[in-house]
Amino acid sequence: QQQVRQSPQSLTVWEGETAILNCSYEDSTFDYFPWYRLFPGESPALLIAIRPVSNKKEDGRFTIFFNKREKKLSLHITDSQPGDSATYFCAARHVGDNSKLIWGLGTSLVVNP
Amino acid sequence: EAAVTQSPRNKVTVTGGNVTLSCRQTNSHNYMYWYRQDTGHGLRLIHYSYGAGNLQIGDVPDGYKATRTTQEDFFLLLELASPSQTSLYFCASSDIGGAYAEQFFGPGTRLTVL
Repeated sequence: QQQVRQSPQSLTVWEGETAILNCSYEDSTFDYFPWYRLFPGESPALLIAIRPVSNKKEDGRFTIFFNKREKKLSLHITDSQPGDSATYFCAARHVGDNSKLIWGLGTSLVVNP
Repeated sequence: EAAVTQSPRNKVTVTGGNVTLSCRQTNSHNYMYWYRQDTGHGLRLIHYSYGAGNLQIGDVPDGYKATRTTQEDFFLLLELASPSQTSLYFCASSDIGGAYAEQFFGPGTRLTVL
C-alpha cells in the first residue's frame, strides 16, 4: 500500500499556466515533506520542502500548500516554463527519523511552449 | 555540496550474470542508499546503510545484496541478474546530523539485463 500518493500521474500544461501537483498521505507521524525534481537524464534533487507547522512554503515560482487536517499537500508551479518539464516526487519522513524517506510514485510534468 | 559518484554509468549483462554497481560519496555522510527508478514506480529503496559494515533492508531487496565497505563506498550486487532488474539505479547519501537529512543523489547507472 502506497503510503504517499501522488496525482495526477502525468500532467501537461501550456507555458505560463500554473501546474498543480497533488500529494496525500495517511500516516500522522509524518513530520516533513520534501519535493524532489528529476529532469530526464539527470539525478533527483531537492526542490522545496515543508513541515506541518506551516500551511504554506514559497520559493520563487514554487509554492507548497499544506492541509494538515485533510493530510494533503500540493505543489504549485506558477508561470510554468518548458524547462520545468520533469518528474516531481513528493516524499515524507517519519517524525524524528532521518534514516529514510517514504516516496510517492511521482508526477511527470510536461510544459508545452 | 555533497559529491556522489557512481560506476559504471551504463552496464549491459545477460540473464544469470553477476553485476556490481559502485557508489562513492566524499562528504562523510552517514547514510547511503540504493534506489531503482522505473517509470510508474517512482524511487524504490533497495538497501541502505548508516555506516561501514552496516546494512539495512529496504522495500524491494529481493535479488540484491549490498555492502558498505567504508564510510565512502557502498556497493550493490546482483549475483544472478534477471531481466526484471533492468532499471536506472541511483545511489544517494545524507547526513544524519542535518536537521532534515537532504538526500544527495549520484548520476545513476543504467543497467540492462538481456
